[in-house]
Amino acid sequence: GDSVTQMEGPVTLSEEAFLTINCTYTATGYPSLFWYVQYPGEGLQLLLKATKADDKGSNKGFEATYRKETTSFHLEKGSVQVSDSAVYFCALSESLNNDMRFGAGTRLTVKP
Amino acid sequence: GAVVSQHPSRVICKSGTSVKIECRSLDFQATTMFWYRQFPKKSLMLMATSNEGSKATYEQGVEKDKFLINHASLTLSTLTVTSAHPEDSSFYICSARSHGSEETQYFGPGTRLLVL
Repeated sequence: GDSVTQMEGPVTLSEEAFLTINCTYTATGYPSLFWYVQYPGEGLQLLLKATKADDKGSNKGFEATYRKETTSFHLEKGSVQVSDSAVYFCALSESLNNDMRFGAGTRLTVKP
Repeated sequence: GAVVSQHPSRVICKSGTSVKIECRSLDFQATTMFWYRQFPKKSLMLMATSNEGSKATYEQGVEKDKFLINHASLTLSTLTVTSAHPEDSSFYICSARSHGSEETQYFGPGTRLLVL
């Protein structure tokens, strides 16, 4: 079945450092790919998404490119801030039924 | 990693009936469980947060009398959709967090509900 694998955390960075959180997927069809973020004490929020190969999703300085050849959707940010500290989830949704599959989540802590 | 199961994975019911969805943490004790609903082609919406042994906390706009949540033990939470209607048809996902895990959540595989 469909699945998502993302790099395990926790990840600790200094402010203004470069961030990469790896995410790879397996799917039988052509899924849409998502990154969700959960800030402390809150529910999930959609951070960005991409619906087809080579699409780049971006939001709040974060970017991820849908790479079909490597089945990856790695999350990147050039300069993280303390306010980016959160748990990040990679997810996919198959086009046929829209059921979502999530990765295990990666906790990011950014220190000043 | 930790495993969360949901049952059933898919359910079809008639309008007016009630449907119960179970969420279980299989290899850890979940002090907190979350219930989400996914709308078509949209992101997830948090419905409620349940802590073991206490009443669930519902998000604004979610009818607590319609979506009954029970977190009776450290490994089981249930969501009951009462008097279901076609507009309740959706994909429902639970997630579980263990004590001291610092916000790491493990998601269930989801339940597809279709109300006819």
